Amino acid sequence: DIQMTQSPSLLSASVGDRVTINCKASQNINKYLNWYQQKLGEAPKLLIYNTNNLQTGIPSRFSGSGSGTDYTLTISSLQPEDFGTYFCFQHNSWPTFGAGTKLELK
Amino acid sequence: QVQLKESGPGLVKPSETLSLTCTVSGFSLTSYHVSWVRQPPGKGLEWMGVIWGDGSTAYNSALKSRLSISRDTSKSQVFLKMSSLKTEDTATYYCAGSYRYWGQGVMVTVSS
Repeated sequence: DIQMTQSPSLLSASVGDRVTINCKASQNINKYLNWYQQKLGEAPKLLIYNTNNLQTGIPSRFSGSGSGTDYTLTISSLQPEDFGTYFCFQHNSWPTFGAGTKLELK
Repeated sequence: QVQLKESGPGLVKPSETLSLTCTVSGFSLTSYHVSWVRQPPGKGLEWMGVIWGDGSTAYNSALKSRLSISRDTSKSQVFLKMSSLKTEDTATYYCAGSYRYWGQGVMVTVSS
């Protein structure tokens, strides 16, 4: 199985900050990498699919990049509604999730 | 618009079989795949398995011996059955269409 190592596990930031979250796959996942945001008590919400495609309705401050084994989610200017937990997810083969990054207010 | 909704029992006894239903609207099961994903309380997400548009299935190797996913396209429903439940199977269970659209989830507690 492909392992997804997500970092950091906890991120403290302020409104307006630029933040990045990283995921490293144990092997090449050919850009089949999605990013989700989850708030307490809610289902995950798709932000980015296949590395760098913004899901409809998601603000342009969210962006994704990467290739091979290394992928990044960037929020260009953090907004109050962006706090929550973020997960990466590879669906190149036998899908697996990263362990999550909790983004909290500094 | 696309909607998915999970339904099933909230409490199941250890060793019993869990049966969940995902009812979809706004897309065809023959065109899009549906996965089941679960999340134990306070923990991360685990992909359980998928039923593809052609009706074929694939399962997480850790659950394969206990898990079955099927569907009824006439009713736009996808089913999950997992046998020999353990307390560690306590989780919120989600169905997701094309990894893009998610149901609200159903909390299942395994306890005697």
